[in-house]
Amino acid sequence: AQSVTQLGSHVSVSEGALVLLRCNYSSSVPPYLFWYVQYPNQGLQLLLKYTSAATLVKGINGFEAEFKKSETSFHLTKPSAHMSDAAEYFCAVSSTEGTYKYIFGTGTRLKVLA
Amino acid sequence: ETGVTQSPTHLIKTRGQQVTLRCSSQSGHNTVSWYQQALGQGPQFIFQYYREEENGRGNFPPRFSGLQFPNYSSELNVNALELDDSALYLCASGETGTGFVGYTFGSGTRLTVV
Repeated sequence: AQSVTQLGSHVSVSEGALVLLRCNYSSSVPPYLFWYVQYPNQGLQLLLKYTSAATLVKGINGFEAEFKKSETSFHLTKPSAHMSDAAEYFCAVSSTEGTYKYIFGTGTRLKVLA
Repeated sequence: ETGVTQSPTHLIKTRGQQVTLRCSSQSGHNTVSWYQQALGQGPQFIFQYYREEENGRGNFPPRFSGLQFPNYSSELNVNALELDDSALYLCASGETGTGFVGYTFGSGTRLTVV
């Protein structure tokens, strides 16, 4: 069975500050991991993905994440927050075979303060 | 690539009615999945179709059913609507198998059951 835990349902940072959104996973098989962003009343946009290549993954809009197997983590970071980063962020895990269905975390709402 | 499009964008139905939501997947994608996202929660996997056959189902009752068509379109049908079915319904498509790089999501259909 797979599961995802996102610590912190709400995170606030100042504009220009480091963004760190936490994601821990549980999986009995090697996982694929994803971060998606959701703006109000919209669908999910893929930020980045780990599909068993490089453990440090760079995505769109300056975001990156590092897959740490020993810590079962896939935290999302961005060196400098921008006002446009304010949104809901979801971490998801899938298996590397079979249905590839996603198990999502409960989400983290990022607020960027001016 | 034309992305994933869903229709309608919003829908209001009465408890006990039936509803059909539609999705047009990205051309070439062999898999379409449907997710339910209740307010303030992460998306929950409903079911998935691979080459027009259901190949995975989440913890949803049989009154949730679907179809995938050869022209990359798909449907989600919900019978005997309940108030708790009010949610954002997301369609996602992807090319599963070796080289899986994640799903592309549509903007969703907001269903309100009154």
